[in-house]
Amino acid sequence: QVQLVESGGGVVQPGRSLRLSCAASGFTFNSYGIHWVRQAPGKGLEWVAIISYDGSSKYYADSVKGRFTISRDNSKNTLYLQMNSLRAEDAAVYYCAKDLAYRSGQLDYWGQGTLVTVSS
Amino acid sequence: QSVLTQPPSVSAAPGQKVTISCSGSSSNIGKNYVSWYQQLPGTAPKLLIYDNNKRPSGIPDRFSGSKSGTSATLGITGLQTGDEADYYCGTWDSSLNSGVFGGGTKLTVL
Repeated sequence: QVQLVESGGGVVQPGRSLRLSCAASGFTFNSYGIHWVRQAPGKGLEWVAIISYDGSSKYYADSVKGRFTISRDNSKNTLYLQMNSLRAEDAAVYYCAKDLAYRSGQLDYWGQGTLVTVSS
Repeated sequence: QSVLTQPPSVSAAPGQKVTISCSGSSSNIGKNYVSWYQQLPGTAPKLLIYDNNKRPSGIPDRFSGSKSGTSATLGITGLQTGDEADYYCGTWDSSLNSGVFGGGTKLTVL
């Protein structure tokens, strides 16, 4: 069965960095685009970024462009999100989610999420 | 402000039917497939509908989807208390080159 397991969340001070990971299993990881989606406490879903199946193409939300970097290691079936210059408004549960293909915007499997708290 | 527009809340009695609308534009819903997600309290979102009107394996046929132009609709029949959740529409925006979601609709089964 498809599994996506996020890790790396925690409490971080404003301006600092954090790297999230998403370990995938149960499907051919190197055949699908993968997204990061976040949800601030009590708020709706916000799309963050997507990476193509081979890592050659990446897109970001304007709110994180230039600060966050999405990457993947297909040899390890793992997705990453490097988050730099963190702000209070970046505090959220971060989900990784598999696209039905690539840039369909349709996410058929989601991880359980990892909580990022930005606070001094 | 979400790119896709959903009503903040809907409600109906058990056994009844409810619809949730999702309005977008020519660059997102008008051009791409729409999906719908159910998020039960304290859990991750779950895919309910994809390709506008298809249900993944295991999703009951009480859930249905449709799309017309730049709008989409989720329908739920035979409402159950267990359907109380937040529902989101989503798609790709070909102009923004980004995924987009609606703001979410809270369903209350009275």
